Amino acid sequence: DSGVTQTPKHLITATGQRVTLRCSPRSGDLSVYWYQQSLDQGLQFLIQYYNGEERAKGNILERFSAQQFPDLHSELNLSSLELGDSALYFCASSVYPSTDTQYFGPGTRLTVL
Amino acid sequence: AQKVTQAQTEISVVEKEDVTLDCVYETRDTTYYLFWYKQPPSGELVFLIRRNSFDEQNEISGRYSWNFQKSTSSFNFTITASQVVDSAVYFCALSEARNYGQNFVFGPGTRLSVLP
Repeated sequence: DSGVTQTPKHLITATGQRVTLRCSPRSGDLSVYWYQQSLDQGLQFLIQYYNGEERAKGNILERFSAQQFPDLHSELNLSSLELGDSALYFCASSVYPSTDTQYFGPGTRLTVL
Repeated sequence: AQKVTQAQTEISVVEKEDVTLDCVYETRDTTYYLFWYKQPPSGELVFLIRRNSFDEQNEISGRYSWNFQKSTSSFNFTITASQVVDSAVYFCALSEARNYGQNFVFGPGTRLSVLP
């Protein structure tokens, strides 16, 4: 158990809908990262927050957004969902924002029908 | 731009065999970090090791060992006397040092199957 929690574990929704994925980092970690893992794209970095501030952005679509709250939990919002958004979404956390080891949560499996 | 290559897509070995997973990286930075993660069938990503670019000393942890060679930009991972529980997808990753945030790139992964 890495100490990173993600909810929900599974999510099934329809195209065009909007969903919110939630992540709580390990105790003491200030940085949160979001990744998408799909069969054809592998593990793709989406976005990083550190103490509430966006620090790095990867291959995140405009339909996706994220934020980190004062209690350090983070939410990833996915809107206007498409079939291709079906994937495993991981959250990871680390103490420092740069080059630190990232510990991953169990993931949220999103299925868009 | 940084890149991580894991040329072996899938490897199958019989239990107790040794197996080496290859990882080759590209970066222009002189300071960077390399990682290995394991993803068992249950799906979670488990951290195995972190190595910085200034430390080329090989590391051994039980049946696991890592060989870091800057000259060939490789960070290979060997499992000695493999076990069925080692069956998983293994990812190599590279992080370049940045003050503002972390630029983290994963390789495509190597699926290891250890047969009884």
